[in-house]
This record gives sequence, C-alpha cells and structure tokens, in this order.
Amino acid sequence: DAGVTQSPTHLIKTRGQQVTLRCSPKSGHDTVSWYQQALGQGPQFIFQYYEEEERQRGNFPDRFSGHQFPNYSSELNVNALLLGDSALYLCASSSLPNEQFFGPGTRLTVL
Amino acid sequence: AQRVTQPEKLLSVFKGAPVELKCNYSYSGSPELFWYVQYSRQRLQLLLRHISRESIKGFTADLNKGETSFHLKKPFAQEEDSAMYYCALGRGSTLGRLYFGRGTQLTVWP
Repeated sequence: DAGVTQSPTHLIKTRGQQVTLRCSPKSGHDTVSWYQQALGQGPQFIFQYYEEEERQRGNFPDRFSGHQFPNYSSELNVNALLLGDSALYLCASSSLPNEQFFGPGTRLTVL
Repeated sequence: AQRVTQPEKLLSVFKGAPVELKCNYSYSGSPELFWYVQYSRQRLQLLLRHISRESIKGFTADLNKGETSFHLKKPFAQEEDSAMYYCALGRGSTLGRLYFGRGTQLTVWP
C-alpha cells in the first residue's frame, strides 16, 4: 500500500486561474480531508468528504470546492486563484475519526 | 473556539539532553490530542495520541486537563529526533477535523 497519494507534486498558476488537486486515500479508508498549510503555519482544515458528500467544512470561501468519487478518491478545486492561496495542500484519509494519515502534499504557487 | 498553541517556534537541545515541546489547547469539551511529526522531506505522520498512552520512539505525552496542556517529552534526545512537531486537537463531535498548532522545529545537536 503506497498510503495516501497526491498529484501533482508541484503546480504553478497565475492569479484568476482555476486549479484541481487530486488525492487517493490509503487502502481501506473511506474519508478524505483536505488541509491548507501556509508557510510557517500548521495545517488548516478546508473540508472533509465521506460517502461522496461534504460532511464538514472549515472557514474557507466558496472558491474552494471538492468532490469525492465512488472509489473514495477526491479532488480539491480552487477557483479565481489569489496570491494568498499559495500553500501546501495536504490530503488526509481515515477510516476512524481523528486517526488520519497524510499524503505528501501538493505545493501550489500562485503568481 | 478551539485553539492549539505551541509557544516555541524553534527548540534546540544537545544529544542526550531531555526535551519538552509545549502544547496548550483551548476547548471546553473532551478533547482528543495528538502529536504529529514531519521529518525532513517526509510527510506528516502521527507520533502519538493521548488515548493510546503509548511511548513512541521514547516520546511520551500526558494530557493535563486542568492546565489544558499536552506537552511532548523525551528524557534523552537523539539527533534523529530533529524534525518539525505539530500538536493537534480533535473533537469527537467533528468526526475527524483536526486543529493544528503552528509547529515547533526541534534541532538536536551532536
């Protein structure tokens, strides 16, 4: 089991563009959470998906949206990118509450 | 509101010295506390959680509800302990959402 995988590793976009990040959970996990980690900060919760629905959401604008597929993989979409969206985006999967396994992250740079 | 505070951004000790990474939290309910570690060029990984009361890699952490703290301790630090450490708070009602502190970069000098 490769654990949680994320793609792409790095991404460079310009302001106003849209981006899609992808995550495949660890085998046997049905819940996927997304976090944003700005430089020098701890991860901040964006939202969580379970059974293909957004189960809970953090304090992020509607520009941030997501999706979960029947195979439990997930996408994070960010529209109208701002410079402040530059960060490491982490995906975490779990089968039990709070026991989360993290992926390596996608580094997004917005110019 | 939930909050996790790690007062030290950087912490340096010599090999063999005791180390304590501080974590304080604010939450009125029954918290679940975790320590995550990120070694250089590796992903974030769970080090320990308070409910398991385990000692992992010589690290221990005790939940002190009176002081709302969950400090991470190791009696004899090793060079391989050098990493970024994050304290995280989970609540049973939020089904997996974690609140992270900003992290403490631990450096163990030879």
